[in-house]
Amino acid sequence: DVKVTQSSRYLVKRTGEKVFLECVQDMDHENMFWYRQDPGLGLRLIYFSYDVKMKEKGDIPEGYSVSREKKERFSLILESASTNQTSMYLCASSMPLGAYEQYFGPGTRLTVT
Amino acid sequence: AQTVTQSQPEMSVQEAETVTLSCTYDTSESNYYLFWYKQPPSRQMILVIRQEAYKQQNATENRFSVNFQKAAKSFSLKISDSQLGDTAMYFCAFMGYNNNDMRFGAGTRLTVKP
Repeated sequence: DVKVTQSSRYLVKRTGEKVFLECVQDMDHENMFWYRQDPGLGLRLIYFSYDVKMKEKGDIPEGYSVSREKKERFSLILESASTNQTSMYLCASSMPLGAYEQYFGPGTRLTVT
Repeated sequence: AQTVTQSQPEMSVQEAETVTLSCTYDTSESNYYLFWYKQPPSRQMILVIRQEAYKQQNATENRFSVNFQKAAKSFSLKISDSQLGDTAMYFCAFMGYNNNDMRFGAGTRLTVKP
Protein backbone atom coordinates (compact mmCIF):
# COMPACT_ATOMS: atom_id res chain seq x y z
CA ASP A 1 0.00 0.00 0.00
CA VAL A 2 1.44 3.32 -1.08
CA LYS A 3 2.17 5.80 1.62
CA VAL A 4 3.14 9.41 2.04
CA THR A 5 3.64 10.54 5.61
CA GLN A 6 4.13 13.99 7.09
CA SER A 7 5.91 14.63 10.36
CA SER A 8 3.07 16.46 12.12
CA ARG A 9 -0.71 16.79 11.70
CA TYR A 10 -0.86 20.00 13.73
CA LEU A 11 1.87 22.51 14.48
CA VAL A 12 1.83 25.83 16.33
CA LYS A 13 4.80 28.15 15.96
CA ARG A 14 5.63 31.73 16.86
CA THR A 15 6.37 34.50 14.39
CA GLY A 16 10.03 34.49 13.41
CA GLU A 17 10.67 30.85 14.25
CA LYS A 18 12.31 28.52 11.76
CA VAL A 19 9.91 25.73 10.85
CA PHE A 20 10.66 22.35 9.29
CA LEU A 21 7.95 20.25 7.69
CA GLU A 22 9.04 16.75 6.75
CA CYS A 23 7.56 14.42 4.15
CA VAL A 24 8.51 10.81 3.47
CA GLN A 25 7.26 8.51 0.71
CA ASP A 26 7.84 4.79 0.40
CA MET A 27 7.03 4.35 -3.30
CA ASP A 28 10.46 5.18 -4.77
CA HIS A 29 8.89 8.12 -6.62
CA GLU A 30 11.12 10.60 -8.41
CA ASN A 31 8.77 13.55 -8.00
CA MET A 32 7.81 15.17 -4.73
CA PHE A 33 5.72 18.29 -4.17
CA TRP A 34 4.80 20.77 -1.49
CA TYR A 35 1.44 22.54 -1.72
CA ARG A 36 -0.34 25.05 0.40
CA GLN A 37 -4.13 24.69 0.74
CA ASP A 38 -6.27 27.70 1.65
CA PRO A 39 -10.08 28.03 1.50
CA GLY A 40 -11.25 29.41 -1.82
CA LEU A 41 -7.80 29.12 -3.34
CA GLY A 42 -7.42 25.37 -3.71
CA LEU A 43 -3.94 23.93 -3.76
CA ARG A 44 -1.05 26.14 -4.74
CA LEU A 45 2.34 24.69 -5.56
CA ILE A 46 5.20 25.97 -3.43
CA TYR A 47 8.10 23.84 -4.69
CA PHE A 48 8.64 20.53 -6.34
CA SER A 49 11.58 18.21 -6.80
CA TYR A 50 12.10 15.77 -9.64
CA ASP A 51 15.26 14.17 -8.29
CA VAL A 52 17.56 14.18 -5.29
CA LYS A 53 19.06 17.64 -4.74
CA MET A 54 16.94 19.03 -7.61
CA LYS A 55 14.17 21.54 -7.03
CA GLU A 56 12.00 23.94 -8.93
CA LYS A 57 9.93 26.86 -7.73
CA GLY A 58 6.21 26.63 -7.95
CA ASP A 59 3.69 29.46 -7.93
CA ILE A 60 4.31 30.75 -4.40
CA PRO A 61 7.92 30.04 -3.31
CA GLU A 62 8.48 33.31 -1.44
CA GLY A 63 9.26 32.75 2.22
CA TYR A 64 9.91 29.03 1.73
CA SER A 65 12.84 26.80 0.88
CA VAL A 66 13.14 23.04 0.39
CA SER A 67 15.66 20.27 0.80
CA ARG A 68 15.85 16.84 -0.80
CA GLU A 69 18.93 14.96 0.30
CA LYS A 70 17.40 11.50 -0.10
CA LYS A 71 14.93 10.24 -2.67
CA GLU A 72 12.27 9.39 -0.13
CA ARG A 73 12.37 12.61 1.90
CA PHE A 74 11.39 16.16 0.96
CA SER A 75 11.50 18.93 3.54
CA LEU A 76 9.80 22.31 3.48
CA ILE A 77 11.48 25.06 5.46
CA LEU A 78 9.99 28.33 6.62
CA GLU A 79 13.08 30.38 7.42
CA SER A 80 11.21 32.94 9.52
CA ALA A 81 7.57 32.04 10.00
CA SER A 82 4.98 34.77 9.56
CA THR A 83 1.27 34.83 10.36
CA ASN A 84 0.36 34.80 6.66
CA GLN A 85 1.96 31.36 6.43
CA THR A 86 -0.76 29.92 8.65
CA SER A 87 -2.24 27.26 6.39
CA MET A 88 -2.63 23.58 5.57
CA TYR A 89 0.49 22.13 3.93
CA LEU A 90 0.21 19.06 1.75
CA CYS A 91 3.04 16.90 0.47
CA ALA A 92 2.66 14.64 -2.57
CA SER A 93 4.74 12.29 -4.67
CA SER A 94 4.43 10.80 -8.15
CA MET A 95 6.19 9.00 -10.95
CA PRO A 96 7.81 11.31 -13.52
CA LEU A 97 5.77 12.64 -16.45
CA GLY A 98 2.73 10.88 -17.85
CA ALA A 99 -0.77 10.62 -16.44
CA TYR A 100 0.50 9.45 -13.10
CA GLU A 101 -1.53 10.41 -10.09
CA GLN A 102 -0.03 12.28 -7.22
CA TYR A 103 -0.22 10.52 -3.86
CA PHE A 104 -0.85 12.87 -0.99
CA GLY A 105 0.12 12.91 2.64
CA PRO A 106 -2.41 13.68 5.41
CA GLY A 107 -1.37 17.32 5.62
CA THR A 108 0.09 19.53 8.33
CA ARG A 109 -2.06 22.32 9.70
CA LEU A 110 0.38 25.04 10.68
CA THR A 111 -0.64 27.96 12.86
CA VAL A 112 1.79 30.86 13.26
CA THR A 113 0.97 33.16 16.16
CA ALA B 1 -0.10 29.62 -17.48
CA GLN B 2 -2.90 27.14 -17.21
CA THR B 3 -5.81 27.98 -14.94
CA VAL B 4 -8.52 25.72 -13.57
CA THR B 5 -11.90 27.11 -12.52
CA GLN B 6 -14.49 25.42 -10.35
CA SER B 7 -17.46 27.76 -10.23
CA GLN B 8 -19.43 25.93 -7.52
CA PRO B 9 -17.89 26.48 -4.07
CA GLU B 10 -20.54 24.30 -2.39
CA MET B 11 -23.12 21.78 -3.49
CA SER B 12 -25.44 19.34 -1.81
CA VAL B 13 -27.30 16.26 -3.01
CA GLN B 14 -29.69 13.75 -1.51
CA GLU B 15 -28.41 10.27 -0.94
CA ALA B 16 -28.94 8.00 -4.01
CA GLU B 17 -29.35 10.95 -6.38
CA THR B 18 -26.98 12.17 -9.09
CA VAL B 19 -24.86 15.31 -8.93
CA THR B 20 -22.56 16.99 -11.43
CA LEU B 21 -19.55 19.11 -10.46
CA SER B 22 -18.27 21.60 -13.00
CA CYS B 23 -14.71 22.38 -14.04
CA THR B 24 -13.30 24.51 -16.82
CA TYR B 25 -9.69 25.11 -17.68
CA ASP B 26 -7.60 27.29 -19.89
CA THR B 27 -4.66 26.00 -21.92
CA SER B 28 -3.03 26.38 -25.30
CA GLU B 29 -1.74 22.81 -25.25
CA SER B 30 -3.37 20.08 -27.31
CA ASN B 31 -2.26 17.16 -25.18
CA TYR B 32 -2.70 17.12 -21.43
CA TYR B 33 -4.22 15.23 -18.53
CA LEU B 34 -7.18 16.06 -16.30
CA PHE B 35 -7.95 14.69 -12.86
CA TRP B 36 -10.60 14.79 -10.17
CA TYR B 37 -9.38 14.39 -6.61
CA LYS B 38 -11.47 13.85 -3.49
CA GLN B 39 -10.53 15.11 -0.02
CA PRO B 40 -12.85 13.67 2.66
CA PRO B 41 -13.09 15.58 5.96
CA SER B 42 -9.82 15.18 7.89
CA ARG B 43 -8.59 12.54 5.49
CA GLN B 44 -6.03 12.32 2.72
CA MET B 45 -6.65 13.47 -0.82
CA ILE B 46 -7.21 10.58 -3.22
CA LEU B 47 -7.61 10.29 -6.97
CA VAL B 48 -11.17 9.75 -8.19
CA ILE B 49 -10.73 9.66 -11.94
CA ARG B 50 -8.35 10.78 -14.70
CA GLN B 51 -8.77 11.65 -18.38
CA GLU B 52 -6.16 11.88 -21.12
CA ALA B 53 -7.02 14.66 -23.56
CA TYR B 54 -6.17 12.63 -26.65
CA LYS B 55 -8.77 10.02 -25.70
CA GLN B 56 -12.23 10.96 -26.89
CA GLN B 57 -14.01 8.44 -24.70
CA ASN B 58 -15.09 9.77 -21.33
CA ALA B 59 -13.46 8.05 -18.36
CA THR B 60 -15.62 6.06 -15.96
CA GLU B 61 -14.85 4.56 -12.55
CA ASN B 62 -17.85 2.78 -11.04
CA ARG B 63 -20.31 5.52 -9.95
CA PHE B 64 -17.99 8.30 -11.13
CA SER B 65 -17.86 9.48 -14.72
CA VAL B 66 -16.69 12.57 -16.53
CA ASN B 67 -18.03 14.66 -19.36
CA PHE B 68 -14.92 15.85 -21.20
CA GLN B 69 -15.59 18.54 -23.79
CA LYS B 70 -12.18 19.38 -25.25
CA ALA B 71 -13.31 22.22 -27.51
CA ALA B 72 -15.18 23.88 -24.66
CA LYS B 73 -12.32 23.12 -22.22
CA SER B 74 -14.79 21.61 -19.82
CA PHE B 75 -14.32 18.58 -17.55
CA SER B 76 -17.31 17.89 -15.28
CA LEU B 77 -17.63 15.05 -12.79
CA LYS B 78 -20.87 13.12 -12.43
CA ILE B 79 -21.50 11.11 -9.29
CA SER B 80 -24.35 8.64 -9.61
CA ASP B 81 -26.20 7.02 -6.72
CA SER B 82 -24.57 9.43 -4.24
CA GLN B 83 -23.52 7.92 -0.93
CA LEU B 84 -22.84 9.54 2.44
CA GLY B 85 -19.18 8.65 2.00
CA ASP B 86 -19.01 10.89 -1.06
CA THR B 87 -19.18 13.92 1.22
CA ALA B 88 -15.85 15.68 0.59
CA MET B 89 -14.03 18.50 -1.12
CA TYR B 90 -13.54 17.74 -4.81
CA PHE B 91 -10.68 19.28 -6.74
CA CYS B 92 -10.28 19.40 -10.49
CA ALA B 93 -6.67 19.39 -11.71
CA PHE B 94 -4.79 19.93 -14.97
CA MET B 95 -1.36 18.64 -15.96
CA GLY B 96 0.46 19.39 -19.18
CA TYR B 97 1.68 16.52 -21.29
CA ASN B 98 5.35 17.14 -20.65
CA ASN B 99 4.99 18.61 -17.21
CA ASN B 100 5.42 17.19 -13.74
CA ASP B 101 3.27 19.65 -11.84
CA MET B 102 -0.48 20.00 -11.58
CA ARG B 103 -2.77 23.02 -11.47
CA PHE B 104 -5.72 22.70 -9.12
CA GLY B 105 -9.04 24.46 -9.00
CA ALA B 106 -10.38 26.09 -5.84
CA GLY B 107 -12.49 23.05 -5.03
CA THR B 108 -16.19 22.22 -4.57
CA ARG B 109 -17.46 21.15 -1.16
CA LEU B 110 -20.04 18.42 -1.70
CA THR B 111 -22.42 17.34 1.04
CA VAL B 112 -24.52 14.22 0.61
CA LYS B 113 -27.64 14.41 2.76
CA PRO B 114 -29.44 11.35 4.13
